[in-house]
Amino acid sequence: DSGVTQTPKHLITATGQRVTLRCSPRSGDLSVYWYQQSLDQGLQFLIQYYNGEERAKGNILERFSAQQFPDLHSELNLSSLELGDSALYFCASSLLGGGYYGYTFGSGTRLTVV
Amino acid sequence: KNEVEQSPQNLTAQEGEFITINCSYSVGISALHWLQQHPGGGIVSLFMLSSGKKKHGRLIATINIQEKHSSLHITASHPRDSAVYICAVDTGNQFYFGTGTSLTVIP
Repeated sequence: DSGVTQTPKHLITATGQRVTLRCSPRSGDLSVYWYQQSLDQGLQFLIQYYNGEERAKGNILERFSAQQFPDLHSELNLSSLELGDSALYFCASSLLGGGYYGYTFGSGTRLTVV
Repeated sequence: KNEVEQSPQNLTAQEGEFITINCSYSVGISALHWLQQHPGGGIVSLFMLSSGKKKHGRLIATINIQEKHSSLHITASHPRDSAVYICAVDTGNQFYFGTGTSLTVIP
């Protein structure tokens, strides 16, 4: 157990639907990162939050949104799902925003869109 | 254009061999990371480098900022080292990932 908890582990949903992925960071970590890993695109950075504020934005689609709550857990919302959104979604956390103390990854949520 | 290039893409080694995985990048970075992803999918952060060299057990990571190049070395490789190794760079407001090196260590 890395200390970063992601739920659910697996999710199967239909095209056009909306889902929410949840991430609880390791105790004491203030920063949360979201990544998408698909077979054709590899790992891609989506977005980073630090202590509730958006800190950096990567290749996140407009159909996707995220937030970090006061208790520091984060949610990634994916809407109007398409087949191409099927991927592993990882969350990672770090103590500070720059990751200078390293990153801890969750075990991922496998999303399948049918 | 890929901001991060890794080589080789695939690597098969005999147990005990010394292994080197290379990473070149084309952007300015604040840090470079080496990640390990096991067949089950979980990702572990191995190293974060901004300069020089770091060692952890049988793993050594080096970075040359001027040449924009990093290497990950595994000494005395073992079958449990079989995994995908991914190089990632942090530009301060963006992360870019290599496509990974799939390592198989044969007993």
